Amino acid sequence: EAQVTQNPRYLITVTGKKLTVTCSQNMNHEYMSWYRQDPGLGLRQIYYSMNVEVTDKGDVPEGYKVSRKEKRNFPLILESPSPNQTSLYFCASSGFLQSDTQYFGPGTRLTVL
Amino acid sequence: AQSVTQLDSHVSVSEGTPVLLRCNYSSSYSPSLFWYVQHPNKGLQLLLKYTSAATLVKGINGFEAEFKKSETSFHLTKPSAHMSDAAEYFCVVSAGREAGGYQKVTFGIGTKLQVIP
Repeated sequence: EAQVTQNPRYLITVTGKKLTVTCSQNMNHEYMSWYRQDPGLGLRQIYYSMNVEVTDKGDVPEGYKVSRKEKRNFPLILESPSPNQTSLYFCASSGFLQSDTQYFGPGTRLTVL
Repeated sequence: AQSVTQLDSHVSVSEGTPVLLRCNYSSSYSPSLFWYVQHPNKGLQLLLKYTSAATLVKGINGFEAEFKKSETSFHLTKPSAHMSDAAEYFCVVSAGREAGGYQKVTFGIGTKLQVIP
């Protein structure tokens, strides 16, 4: 089954404790992206990757890191989480055309205390 | 620059009446446009997309949207609302890749559709 998986689905942590949210897709997609969803703000892009070893900042990259060492994986790293990073996070993947549909993971709800 | 404006944050309709969710966009390139739906506590699912073929696009569950370049709009419609349509709807613009640059994806803030029995 074609899918995007994220782990963990729920995470409660404390300020400053490094964490990683994993994202994996099995559709051989070139383009992968991370978004955060906050009430009244829609989805905002954090980082995206056009292919292996090619990543770039989205609209809200501060406090986040990513890597793309393999085509299927695109982890999101919070080196020192803060309460303002409490949010719902989605990973997505698609082909490299701008008209390609994005496929979204189920979401990760992160709470930083 | 690229932006998406969803003109209504909440829309309420009675079951069986038409639905209109409005979306305006701006882009420096010829864009692709999408509508995604998010049901409560669920992920996002594609409803339909415009990719420079037909300007009237039909999607799943009876939804359709019309691309109007002169008005920079991509409004989502459905002739008759069903209770299962209650969800949040996002208009999305994607552009830049076909111009040889990086693909820029921008979401609107979303419109919550309430369907009253």
